[in-house]
Amino acid sequence: RKEVEQDPGPFNVPEGATVAFNCTYSNSASQSFFWYRQDCRKEPKLLMSVYSSGNEDGRFTAQLNRASQYISLLIRDSKLSDSATYLCVVNGGYGQNFVFGPGTRLSVLP
Amino acid sequence: GAVVSQHPSWVICKSGTSVKIECRSLDFQATTMFWYRQFPKQSLMLMATSNEGSKATYEQGVEKDKFLINHASLTLSTLTVTSAHPEDSSFYICSASLPRLGTDNEQFFGPGTRLTVL
Repeated sequence: RKEVEQDPGPFNVPEGATVAFNCTYSNSASQSFFWYRQDCRKEPKLLMSVYSSGNEDGRFTAQLNRASQYISLLIRDSKLSDSATYLCVVNGGYGQNFVFGPGTRLSVLP
Repeated sequence: GAVVSQHPSWVICKSGTSVKIECRSLDFQATTMFWYRQFPKQSLMLMATSNEGSKATYEQGVEKDKFLINHASLTLSTLTVTSAHPEDSSFYICSASLPRLGTDNEQFFGPGTRLTVL
């Protein structure tokens, strides 16, 4: 089983749609969780950290369920500029390496 | 915010040559830097963890004699691909860890280096 798994994608959605990404991780000792986005041929950029209480940043909402070892990202009112690959990232703590999920590609269509 | 630079951004070389890639943290000191490799349509795979002043820790399956890592200062880590071959062609990305309160440390990524070996 891979350490971090994500929806295989790709997701093709119209502008304005709501889209949800799912992620599961296998290491129950993981401590930090993030969503990154990666544009084609570019480096990953942090979208948001994920906290146990859930957190929201504008149109983006992230949820974490430690018991189920599950992370989600919800994008509301999707924009063309949201088209990218979304990476679920799990970290075991300071100095530990990040483990990247395989990513889910999103294409928002006009 | 924290900025990480990489140089060069792209390189084309002949098979058998060595290529050095530099990763710098521009506005913070990074005791730990990470080197990743990403093949087309695949996710980032960690190659090694680079600790300032000590030997790098390599992931399973990554040849330490082929991918030489030096982390001589708190702001610079280098990756040298020795005797590069076409199968080494990839997107190499470094990151530097910026510790924050608690365990919510964040990694900042360099822009990546695209290596093409002919």
